[in-house]
Amino acid sequence: GDSVTQMEGPVTLSEEAFLTINCTYTATGYPSLFWYVQYPGEGLQLLLKATKADDKGSNKGFEATYRKETTSFHLEKGSVQVSDSAVYFCALNTNTGNQFYFGTGTSLTVIP
Amino acid sequence: EAGVAQSPRYKIIEKRQSVAFWCNPISGHATLYWYQQILGQGPKLLIQFQNNGVVDDSQLPKDRFSAERLKGVDSTLKIQPAKLEDSAVYLCASSPGRDTQYFGPGTRLTVL
Repeated sequence: GDSVTQMEGPVTLSEEAFLTINCTYTATGYPSLFWYVQYPGEGLQLLLKATKADDKGSNKGFEATYRKETTSFHLEKGSVQVSDSAVYFCALNTNTGNQFYFGTGTSLTVIP
Repeated sequence: EAGVAQSPRYKIIEKRQSVAFWCNPISGHATLYWYQQILGQGPKLLIQFQNNGVVDDSQLPKDRFSAERLKGVDSTLKIQPAKLEDSAVYLCASSPGRDTQYFGPGTRLTVL
């Protein structure tokens, strides 16, 4: 079945470090891919998305490229800030029933 | 535009009691989702509505959980009777159609 596997955390980085959070997926057809962010005590917020192969989603300095050949959608940011501390979820939408599948989440802590 | 509204934000009950959660989606969004998010895990879909019809409730524990979406707008999720393992955050999300979900802040349930 459709699923998402993402890098286990927690991840701790110093401010201005480079961030990569790995995400791979299994899906039939051509899913849309998403990264959601969850700040402490809040619901999930859409961070970025890509709807077809080779698309790059970007927002707030974060980027992810939809790689069909490697079934991946890794999240990257060149220079993290303390305010980026949150849990990040990779997700896919099957597009055949508007159903979403989420990874288990990766907790990021950025220290000054 | 107003986001997805949920209430209450927090609820503490004893096992075997009943509890109900309410969700008001973004106006015009046909699809509504209820997720259960256990601490340290990704959201797990409980039920998906398209207007007032159920699209997917395969992971809803129907012996104790029920949900309805009267008139295709707001929705309620009920647990009766609650068990200790139901302690989680219950997230409501809505979607205008294909891809992108918008999440509410969630209801944190503690079952003692």
